[in-house]
Amino acid sequence: SSELTQDPAVSVALGQTVRITCQGDSLRSYYASWYQQKPGQAPVLVIYGKNNRPSGIPDRFSGSSSGNTASLTITGAQAEDEADYYCNSRDSSGNPLFGGGTKLTVL
Amino acid sequence: EVQLVESGGGLVKPGGSLRLSCAASGFTFSNAWMSWVRQAPGKGLEWVGRIKSKTDGGTTDYAAPVKGRFTISRDDSKNTLYLQMNSLKTEDTAVYYCTSWIAAPLNWFDPWGQGTLVTVSS
Repeated sequence: SSELTQDPAVSVALGQTVRITCQGDSLRSYYASWYQQKPGQAPVLVIYGKNNRPSGIPDRFSGSSSGNTASLTITGAQAEDEADYYCNSRDSSGNPLFGGGTKLTVL
Repeated sequence: EVQLVESGGGLVKPGGSLRLSCAASGFTFSNAWMSWVRQAPGKGLEWVGRIKSKTDGGTTDYAAPVKGRFTISRDDSKNTLYLQMNSLKTEDTAVYYCTSWIAAPLNWFDPWGQGTLVTVSS
């Protein structure tokens, strides 16, 4: 199916590790990209390809993939990482498709 | 500095039209595949459509909800992307973002503009 499924909300204690997942059939064929969006701001690319970070993105952000599931891992979560996170891949027509988003709370 | 700046949003009645613009700077706009992505209030991101570079054919493609109503175009001489929206519906209310889409071999959007709000209401 042409859907990307994310958990609506995840929480993590300050300094701990959290994994945000994205499930969908297209992930067997395409890498996911991941975006961070803080309230009132535009999305920001944090991970693309197998596990690539754009310039300026801290190395505590990493990506991985297995089968139909892509994951974004934040190792040592900081207060400033509290945000919505969206995965992106392709649909069956090859067009971009976004997951529903995961709201990350840092406790 | 790589930058995208959208403009043209506002309040429009159902059935009306609006044209958004996106001014690009800091990168070779003419080589870029560009997309519009929207976000309804309190909702997630939704891809609207894309236009290829003229070198790659300059063709467009659209998401099903907007196909036949929205048109994406570009003026490479002005480094500007456009989104013409016709027959607007209340469900088109959203912040519209312009972004560059790296389509192949991987798949990602970067950079993003700050967004412009379109409100469709009577």
